[in-house]
Amino acid sequence: NFMLTQPHSVSESPGKTVTISCTGSSGSIASNYVQWYQQRPGSAPTTVIYEDNQRPSGVPDRFSGSIDSSSNSASLTISGLKTEDEADYYCQSYDSSNHAVFGGGTQLTVL
Amino acid sequence: QVQLQQSGPGLVKPSQTLSLTCAISGDSVSSNSAAWNWIRQSPSRGLEWLGRTYYRSKWYNDYAVSVKSRITINPDTSKNQFSLQLNSVTPEDTAVYYCAVTVPHLSGEPFGWFDPWGQGTLVTVSS
Repeated sequence: NFMLTQPHSVSESPGKTVTISCTGSSGSIASNYVQWYQQRPGSAPTTVIYEDNQRPSGVPDRFSGSIDSSSNSASLTISGLKTEDEADYYCQSYDSSNHAVFGGGTQLTVL
Repeated sequence: QVQLQQSGPGLVKPSQTLSLTCAISGDSVSSNSAAWNWIRQSPSRGLEWLGRTYYRSKWYNDYAVSVKSRITINPDTSKNQFSLQLNSVTPEDTAVYYCAVTVPHLSGEPFGWFDPWGQGTLVTVSS
């Protein structure tokens, strides 16, 4: 079974830059697009990055996504951190059956 | 702009059937470009995709292996909505259930990214 692994939590200070990783268990993570979702408490997830590095309209350019084939991982980078960025972040891609797979989520604390 | 509105009971007894509905506005359940999904979230299992229904000249369904023997997702074209039925539930099925629409990577594909999601329904399985 294809799995995506994320760190359980990260923390950083306002104004700084943080990177959240998402590592694929097998195959090449580059073979399917990776998406990133932000989830605040009590709310449904919303998309911050789709197709590896594309931002939906309304998402600030402080959010960026990338793929590193050498480590079979995707990354979400948030620069100029704001307290409002504090949330859970999930990566998502697809397995060989084109069934969606989610990472376990990373809790971002901005302090 | 697509909006999804979920409805259904928040409490289901063990061994019974969980039933939820997702009403669509701003698009059609019969769209040839969208796919309509159910996803759940629990502390023990995280976010888990359950399945999808979509129309490409005929109706298709795809289900996660973990629930394939117990799940049915049906479109309702008369009401422009789709539903989830999960049979023989146990306390392990306690979760927040979301419906979500797939925005395809390529036109006609049933997979892409999920946007938007419904508001979520907490379903507790308990006697």
